[in-house]
Amino acid sequence: EDKVVQSPLSLVVHEGDTVTLNCSYEVTNFRSLLWYKQEKKAPTFLFMLTSSGIEKKSGRLSSILDKKELFSILNITATQTGDSAIYLCAVENYGQNFVFGPGTRLSVLP
Amino acid sequence: GAGVSQTPSNKVTEKGKYVELRCDPISGHTALYWYRQSLGQGPEFLIYFQGTGAADDSGLPNDRFFAVRPEGSVSTLKIQRTERGDSAVYLCASSLVGRDDTQYFGPGTRLTVL
Repeated sequence: EDKVVQSPLSLVVHEGDTVTLNCSYEVTNFRSLLWYKQEKKAPTFLFMLTSSGIEKKSGRLSSILDKKELFSILNITATQTGDSAIYLCAVENYGQNFVFGPGTRLSVLP
Repeated sequence: GAGVSQTPSNKVTEKGKYVELRCDPISGHTALYWYRQSLGQGPEFLIYFQGTGAADDSGLPNDRFFAVRPEGSVSTLKIQRTERGDSAVYLCASSLVGRDDTQYFGPGTRLTVL
């Protein structure tokens, strides 16, 4: 059965800390891996990763995919209170659409 | 345990036809959400149910889109007179109580309008 596992499930840090969120997966017919920041209205799309070893960056956020070891990490440097959210990892596979992980709930304290 | 399920997983239809997409949330979850995701973009919010009622339907793009949740569990998203621009993956999610809770997503229904 296809599955996506995220760790940790919950994380509390202080402003300025760097965090690493993990996502591992077991899916057939992998197409892409996506990271989202879940906010009240709708999840915000962060990254789509399809190739191993190529880091994607957007400001203080970066992500990389390892298709051999079947995992991805999301890094957030110099965290701010506005980074507090649930971070979702999802894998898109051909024919079965999406498999979402349970999310990591990040709390950034001032 | 059973997660959120959606049927069908894929739907191909012709322009002008009517479609229904179904979402079965996690048992006991009172909140249910519908989103639409186009390729390479994040989910676009459509509607949020709290129990049987639509607490927020501000994301429905026009009156061709309608959703129901008559018994506070299963929800159906209905699209009338489909257009090619409706082609997308329609995601459903549920959460235990409300918007502050973790949302659990289903696999989506990939709708293609020819």
